[in-house]
This record gives sequence, C-alpha cells and structure tokens, in this order.
Amino acid sequence: GENVEQHPSTLSVQEGDSAVIKCTYSDSASNYFPWYKQELGKRPQLIIDIRSNVGEKKDQRIAVTLNKTAKHFSLHITETQPEDSAVYFCAGYNFNKFYFGSGTKLNVKP
Amino acid sequence: NAGVTQTPKFQVLKTGQSMTLQCAQDMNHEYMSWYRQDPGMGLRLIHYSVGAGITDQGEVPNGYNVSRSTTEDFPLRLLSAAPSQTSVYFCASSQGQGPQPQHFGDGTRLSIL
Repeated sequence: GENVEQHPSTLSVQEGDSAVIKCTYSDSASNYFPWYKQELGKRPQLIIDIRSNVGEKKDQRIAVTLNKTAKHFSLHITETQPEDSAVYFCAGYNFNKFYFGSGTKLNVKP
Repeated sequence: NAGVTQTPKFQVLKTGQSMTLQCAQDMNHEYMSWYRQDPGMGLRLIHYSVGAGITDQGEVPNGYNVSRSTTEDFPLRLLSAAPSQTSVYFCASSQGQGPQPQHFGDGTRLSIL
C-alpha cells in the first residue's frame, strides 16, 4: 500500500513568517493530495487539496505544490497568524483509500 | 445540514465488551470511511464504503466490522474490545466514488480498560 511521510513533526515560527510542511509518498498511482488542519479536540478540516494533473494551487495565504516525479508535495502558509496554530495533516489517495501523514504541530508565536 | 454526526462522543468499555459506534451523514455522500487517530500516528483507515451494500478494508481492519445498509449510515462495530483499541475514532464522508474532499465528524473518544 501507500506510505505517506510528513516532516517536520513540529514547527515553530514567528507571526508573519512563512511555514512550509513537506510530505512524500511512495505509490505513483496516488492522484489526489488533500491537506487538513486540526485544532485541539476538534475534527480535521480540509484547507486545500491538489490533484495529480496540477503542479500548484493557491488559496489566499495557503498554497500547495506537487512534484510527481519526486513524489513529494508541500504546504506553504505565508504571513502566519496565531490562529494558524494547529496540527496539519497531509494525505494521499489511491484506489479508494486515503493514507495520512503523521502530522505537523505548527506553533505561531505572537 | 448536520453534516457527519457521530455518537457517542465518549465511551469507556471493559476488555471483551462489544459496542457499535454510529455514523450518519445527511449530504447523500456515496463514500464513507472510519479512521482511528492515535498520538503521533495521524489518521489510519479502518474500513471504507463506496456506496450502500459495499464495504472494504483499510490499513487496520482487525477487530472491527462495518456494514452499509443505507447511504446515510455507516456503523463501526468492535467485536471484543481490547486496550489497544483505545483511540479517537473519526467517521468521514465525501461525494461520489472518486477522490473528493472528506467531511469529518466530531469523533468518538473511546477508552478500553
């Protein structure tokens, strides 16, 4: 099956700085890559996603890039704010299954 | 729309007991799935369904059963609870049968003594 690895496990940035979280996947058949944000004690919520026929997607301060050749994709958050503090999960999808990374705890210091 | 509703929110069981975690969605989504979330391990897929009457195994199916008799409901059964099944369980649904954004429920926190 698929194996999705996520780095770093924790990330601390100053408010206003950028944050980058990286994920790699093993199965070239994976074709959909969502990112979820999970606040403490809450449900995961989709923040952005990208399909395998697209190299980059942006939504205001959030962007995702995908490199199919290298089998990695990254989440970029610019101008971070304290409310961005949460755990972020990447995932890969193939053959009806989602495979999640182990999560990155982002701390944005005011 | 209520979205994805999970019950109960919290449950404590003794080893060997059985129970059913309920999941219902009112969005007419075809795809439904169950995950467990353990510290430092992200979300792991237990079982999933691409439509009523169709279920399949995920990464960690042992000790769990599912059924999908209607589009709306996707219950998860623990047959004989073990301490290793202590976890937070999330149900999710998405439109269609292909890769689509998933909508998660609020989760069930399950402790097995």
